[in-house]
Order: sequence, then C-alpha cells, then structure tokens
Amino acid sequence: GENVEQHPSTLSVQEGDSAVIKCTYSDSASNYFPWYKQELGKGPQLIIDIRSNVGEKKDQRIAVTLNKTAKHFSLHITETQPEDSAVYFCAASTRGGDTGRRALTFGSGTRLQVQP
Amino acid sequence: DTGVSQNPRHKITKRGQNVTFRCDPISEHNRLYWYRQTLGQGPEFLTYFQNEAQLEKSRLLSDRFSAERPKGSFSTLEIQRTEQGDSAMYLCASSLTRGGSYEQYFGPGTRLTVT
Repeated sequence: GENVEQHPSTLSVQEGDSAVIKCTYSDSASNYFPWYKQELGKGPQLIIDIRSNVGEKKDQRIAVTLNKTAKHFSLHITETQPEDSAVYFCAASTRGGDTGRRALTFGSGTRLQVQP
Repeated sequence: DTGVSQNPRHKITKRGQNVTFRCDPISEHNRLYWYRQTLGQGPEFLTYFQNEAQLEKSRLLSDRFSAERPKGSFSTLEIQRTEQGDSAMYLCASSLTRGGSYEQYFGPGTRLTVT
C-alpha cells in the first residue's frame, strides 16, 4: 500500500518568514495530494490540494509543488502569521481497490510554530 | 465550518463497554469515510461508504468495530467491548464524487478515552 513520509516533524519560524514542509510518497499510482491544517481539538481542514496533472498550485500565501518523477510534493507558506501555527498533514490518494475508493494516506504531521 | 458534524465530541468509557458515535456528512455528499487518529499521528483509514453501501474496511477495523450508513445519510460507528488501545480521535469525512471531485471534508472528531 501507499506510504507517505513527512518532514520536518516540527518547524519554528519568525513571523513574516517562509515555511516549507516536504512529503514523499511510494505509490506511483497516487494522483491526488491534499494538505490539511489541524488546530488543537479540531478536525483536519483542507487548505490546498493538487492533482498529478499539475506541477504547481498557488492560493494567496500558500503554494504546493509536485514532482511526480521523484514522488515528492511540498507545501510553501509565505509571509507566515501567528495564526498559521498548527499541525499540517500531507496526504496522498489513488483510485484503489476493486471499489474505487479514494481513502487518504496521511503523513505523520508537521507542527508549525510562528513566533511573533 | 466544513459542515460535517460528529457526536459526541468526547466520550469516556470503561474497558469492556460498548460505544457508538454518529457522523452527519455534508448534505448530498455520497461518500463517507471513517478514520482514526492517535496522538502525534496522521489519521488512518478505517472504512468507507458510497451511499448506503459499505464498500471497504481496513484491516485496522477488527470484528469489534461495526459501521452503518442507513439510507445513505448519517453514519454510526460502534465499538464493542472497548479496549484501552481503542483510545483515539475518531474522524469522519465526506466527499462528493460527481464531477471528478476528490476533496474530503472532515468533521471535528469524537475523542474516545477508554479507562
């Protein structure tokens, strides 16, 4: 099955700096890569996603890049703010099994702390 | 607010008791997923429904776990004879497959503590 590795596990940046989180995946059939932000006591919130037919996607201060050949993808947050502090998860999905499920395989998370 | 709701938000139970959680997905979402998240880890897939049909179960889902989605709307996840290892956050997510959409939207989760 799919395996997703995420680095770093913790990341501390100064307000205004950029933050980069990297993930690698193992299943070359994976074709959908979302990123989630999870705040304490809440469920994961989808913040951006990318499909395998696109190399980069940007939404205001957040961007995601995908390298299918190397099987890795990254989240970039620019001009970080204290409210960006949270745990971020990458995930990968493929149309798998006989049922066509698209269950997500998650990385282990990155705790981002933005220092004011 | 994503629109997926889960109840209860917290559940404390004694080992050996049965518990049931409920998930109400976003209206008209035809797929519903259950995940389990332990402290410091990402969510892990348990099972999923397309409409009322349970199409797949992870090997993580022991025979003490059962899930239903009657009428293709809300879903329930029951754990029988709870064990301390069942302590985790149980997350529900829903998605709409029409139009090639892949996005899954999560609820706030039910945190289970087995004492």
